[in-house]
Amino acid sequence: GNSVTQMEGPVTLSEEAFLTINCTYTATGYPSLFWYVQYPGEGLQLLLKATKADDKGSNKGFEATYRKETTSFHLEKGSVQVSDSAVYFCALSDKNTGNQFYFGTGTSLTVIP
Amino acid sequence: DTAVSQTPKYLVTQMGNDKSIKCEQNLGHDTMYWYKQDSKKFLKIMFSYNNKELIINETVPNRFSPKSPDKAHLNLHINSLELGDSAVYFCASSQGKNIQYFGAGTRLSVL
Repeated sequence: GNSVTQMEGPVTLSEEAFLTINCTYTATGYPSLFWYVQYPGEGLQLLLKATKADDKGSNKGFEATYRKETTSFHLEKGSVQVSDSAVYFCALSDKNTGNQFYFGTGTSLTVIP
Repeated sequence: DTAVSQTPKYLVTQMGNDKSIKCEQNLGHDTMYWYKQDSKKFLKIMFSYNNKELIINETVPNRFSPKSPDKAHLNLHINSLELGDSAVYFCASSQGKNIQYFGAGTRLSVL
């Protein structure tokens, strides 16, 4: 079946530190991969996506590369800011299962000044 | 304009009551969803619905029912509320099965 596994949080970093949030997936076909971000008190927003192997999604300084060989889609940012404090969700959508979305459990990030 | 809007933002009620949460999207999408997010931020899909198909997560109690008066609205009705129903409920929409756009959530507290 399809599933997404994210590193457990919470993650606490100092401002300007390097961020990595690991995400691996299991899928029956060739999924599209997504990172969503949830700021405090808000709904989820799409942060970035990649639809095929070796694609790199990027937005707001965040990047993630679709790695088919390791079934991973790790989220990275070179220098985090306090405003990046949020919960980050990795997700996949698989055509083989009607494009249903599968979300990971979320990773809470807190950036301290 | 808010793309996906939910009301109310906060809902506090007693056990045993019946309540509804409303959701409206102005994106012209044909598919809408309801998710439940627990205190650990875990997201669980409850329903997905378009004008052709309602898909229900089989783990959702039948006290929960989606009601769609038209393509732009998918309301969530909950009967006989229980303490364990306390959570944040998110509505989302998409065109087909593409990127989902989320509302800001409704925080339900059952006392």
